[in-house]
Amino acid sequence: DAKTTQPNSMESNEEEPVHLPCNHSTISGTDYIHWYRQLPSQGPEYVIHGLTSNVNNRMASLAIAEDRKSSTLILHRATLRDAAVYYCILRMKTSGSRLTFGEGTQLTVNP
Amino acid sequence: DTAVSQTPKYLVTQMGNDKSIKCEQNLGHDTMYWYKQDSKKFLKIMFSYNNKELIINETVPNRFSPKSPDKAHLNLHINSLELGDSAVYFCASSLRGGGDTGELFFGEGSRLTVL
Repeated sequence: DAKTTQPNSMESNEEEPVHLPCNHSTISGTDYIHWYRQLPSQGPEYVIHGLTSNVNNRMASLAIAEDRKSSTLILHRATLRDAAVYYCILRMKTSGSRLTFGEGTQLTVNP
Repeated sequence: DTAVSQTPKYLVTQMGNDKSIKCEQNLGHDTMYWYKQDSKKFLKIMFSYNNKELIINETVPNRFSPKSPDKAHLNLHINSLELGDSAVYFCASSLRGGGDTGELFFGEGSRLTVL
């Protein structure tokens, strides 16, 4: 599986935007970019995914670099509930839903 | 209704014992998984079943035996528990092939502590 690199931790203030970066320089043409997050004492939950184009949903936006070697998860207005570990994962199109989790980024949101 | 439910949520037991964790999903998915999250918070896939058939079996000791009586259930039985088995075990489900989003739905986890 292609590897992703994320900062270990980031901090944000409540109601401010948060940009969570992810590098994936060895991404292949058929790899989807997925983001999951894990709130304290809960299982991971799906946030967003994309292939080439930027994506928006009710939770977040995903900005994908033109060369696809990096991406950024954007939380438009952070809330305290957004404090979690955010995982950037590459999913091979042929691997179904098999996901390989890395270390993720621990996001702290300050009131 | 809980989409993916695991029982028990907490399990404390002695070394050498045998224990089981049960998982059920009511999402109509055909693929289920077991993941292990250790004390360093790394999440690793252990097993995956599709329609009761084992399709992923990572390098997990033989003491771990998954069982899928039907596509809505995937149980994990662990024999001769060791200290290193202490972890949070997550069950997950999805559509085979990932569906449109490749989304995995996780349960809340079962925290196993081996003394």
